[in-house]
Amino acid sequence: EADIYQTPRYLVIGTGKKITLECSQTMGHDKMYWYQQDPGMELHLIHYSYGVNSTEKGDLSSESTVSRIRTEHFPLTLESARPSHTSQYLCASSDQGEAFFGQGTRLTVV
Amino acid sequence: DQQVKQNSPSLSVQEGRISILNCDYTNSMFDYFLWYKKYPAEGPTFLISISSIKDKNEDGRFTVFLNKSAKHLSLHIVPSQPGDSAVYFCAASDRYNFNKFYFGSGTKLNVKP
Repeated sequence: EADIYQTPRYLVIGTGKKITLECSQTMGHDKMYWYQQDPGMELHLIHYSYGVNSTEKGDLSSESTVSRIRTEHFPLTLESARPSHTSQYLCASSDQGEAFFGQGTRLTVV
Repeated sequence: DQQVKQNSPSLSVQEGRISILNCDYTNSMFDYFLWYKKYPAEGPTFLISISSIKDKNEDGRFTVFLNKSAKHLSLHIVPSQPGDSAVYFCAASDRYNFNKFYFGSGTKLNVKP
């Protein structure tokens, strides 16, 4: 069973607010990812990390930022939320095989 | 440019029959292919995978077939059950290039009782 957790599950927030989406895994995986998904669309990679202090931007440009200070923790931050940021955000981790996903955060910016 | 494509947005199948979900990819460097199942407002759940050195992998009711020359893979579910109703995502990665996973846009499977 995958041990990767995201909080919050749902978030409704006003335009201009700063938000941080939390992601933690207890599997000791070095690789972690953030994907963004809209209904009926593919999952887009927005950030990934090789390990501690290593982060890279993904293929989809995003105004969010990430940090990787500890192996198990990979938070995503939006400094100023906008309605265009409304989406589902999915965190994942992997070793050499499949990626394990958290339950996701459904973000709505009003 | 989308590197993994699922051209059928939806599929409806009768309970007990076979469900076949298809996926195409463009990057010849991909060497690992996966299928995930996803419910609304949940994260994807890993189903089955296949390495590029194989052309078939089976796990219970789920079988994945890989045709490298055609850059095509498929997921067969036999027999289909109503609980299989979900969105199925195909994914691919190049394990020698960080192992980033690229996903298709999903196929929504509806298994009718």
